[in-house]
Amino acid sequence: NAGVTQTPKFQVLKTGQSMTLQCAQDMNHNSMYWYRQDPGMGLRLIYYSASEGTTDKGEVPNGYNVSRLNKREFSLRLESAAPSQTSVYFCASSAEGTTEAFFGQGTRLTVV
Amino acid sequence: KNEVEQSPQNLTAQEGEFITINCSYSVGISALHWLQQHPGGGIVSLFMLSSGKKKHGRLIATINIQEKHSSLHITASHPRDSAVYICAAPNYGGSQGNLIFGKGTKLSVKP
Repeated sequence: NAGVTQTPKFQVLKTGQSMTLQCAQDMNHNSMYWYRQDPGMGLRLIYYSASEGTTDKGEVPNGYNVSRLNKREFSLRLESAAPSQTSVYFCASSAEGTTEAFFGQGTRLTVV
Repeated sequence: KNEVEQSPQNLTAQEGEFITINCSYSVGISALHWLQQHPGGGIVSLFMLSSGKKKHGRLIATINIQEKHSSLHITASHPRDSAVYICAAPNYGGSQGNLIFGKGTKLSVKP
């Protein structure tokens, strides 16, 4: 049982480049989330999707877009990467009616 | 919006010591979560508790709903317990999704 799978694990981008982080879960969860984790700060929500076909902004959405492609997949896109987006990104999912979240392994992104 | 505070931020212990990490939150909750993040980066859920105490191996989590406080204890600590421990509480309203996270406690257990 794979749980939540994120790709890639590591990425280096130049300022202005674009990329998409992929996330898939096989637990039939309705809700999916993208977080970023920066030193000295707790996980902060970028975007979330409460169900297939819906997405909502979180605490720090600027510079990002998301797509809930289907129930399994939720991708995060950086259209024009900036050094301030250097961070570790986590995808997570949770079942309806519970706050317990299951996390992917994270993507360490560096923007130079 | 729920505020979640953890203490201490950093903790160094000798192998075998009893460890306590504290978490306080501002808004009454249905369940509080303790998570573990290993140096490799992955985050796993340790406990979800809404009252009393839960135990898993050498880890014990307690919660006091009236005082809005939870503790994570590690008995007979071991170097493999070295990790960042994160508590999280449900978010009620706001744009934070379903959980608000503390900043984490970095635990280092020396042999």
